[in-house]
Amino acid sequence: QVQLVQSGAEVKKPGASVKVSCKTSGYSFPDYYLHWVRQAPGQGLEWMGWINPNTRVTHFAQKFQNRVTLTRDTSIDTAYLEVSRLTSDDTAVYYCARVYNYDSATYLGYWGQGTLVTVSS
Amino acid sequence: SYVLTQAPAVSVAPGQTARISCGGDDIATKNVHWYQQKPGQAPVLVVYDDRARPSGIPERFSGSNSGNTATLTITRVEAGDEADYFCQVWDTPSDQSVFGPGTTVNVL
Repeated sequence: QVQLVQSGAEVKKPGASVKVSCKTSGYSFPDYYLHWVRQAPGQGLEWMGWINPNTRVTHFAQKFQNRVTLTRDTSIDTAYLEVSRLTSDDTAVYYCARVYNYDSATYLGYWGQGTLVTVSS
Repeated sequence: SYVLTQAPAVSVAPGQTARISCGGDDIATKNVHWYQQKPGQAPVLVVYDDRARPSGIPERFSGSNSGNTATLTITRVEAGDEADYFCQVWDTPSDQSVFGPGTTVNVL
């Protein structure tokens, strides 16, 4: 079955960077877009961007374009999110999510368990 | 950028019907997707493309989309349906995915 397993919780200081991994299994990794979504404590879902694991093409929400990097390693079926210049506003649970259908890039049918990133001095 | 609106909370008695609305300018021209999120858990896709259900989602969950409002309907509500529900669309002009603020469904 499709599984997305994310790396563990992180605590970072303001100004630092964080890299979260998303290890996938149970399907052909290059064939499905992967999105990243975050959720601040007690808040709603915020879309950050996607990566096409086949082509490495990425696309971001405007507010993240200069601070977020999406990469992947097809040899281990793993995607990565890196956020730089962290502030306390970046404290959130970060989710990776795979699109549900091969022919859709937008709705997210499989989610990782989430990674809590806490930014605190 | 495109904005989605949702009521903060809806209360419904067990066995009754819950209707969760998602408002947006001419939202009927977009494909709307719905997610259920229980406390401490990742979201789960319950409806996509306005009215389609992923495998494993009960028929009690249905969707519609017309004019400026999309609706997720849950019939024969159960205690286990208590959760936050988020709508989502892809806004083509800005090329961004947008989530609604979420609606908490309280089962009385």
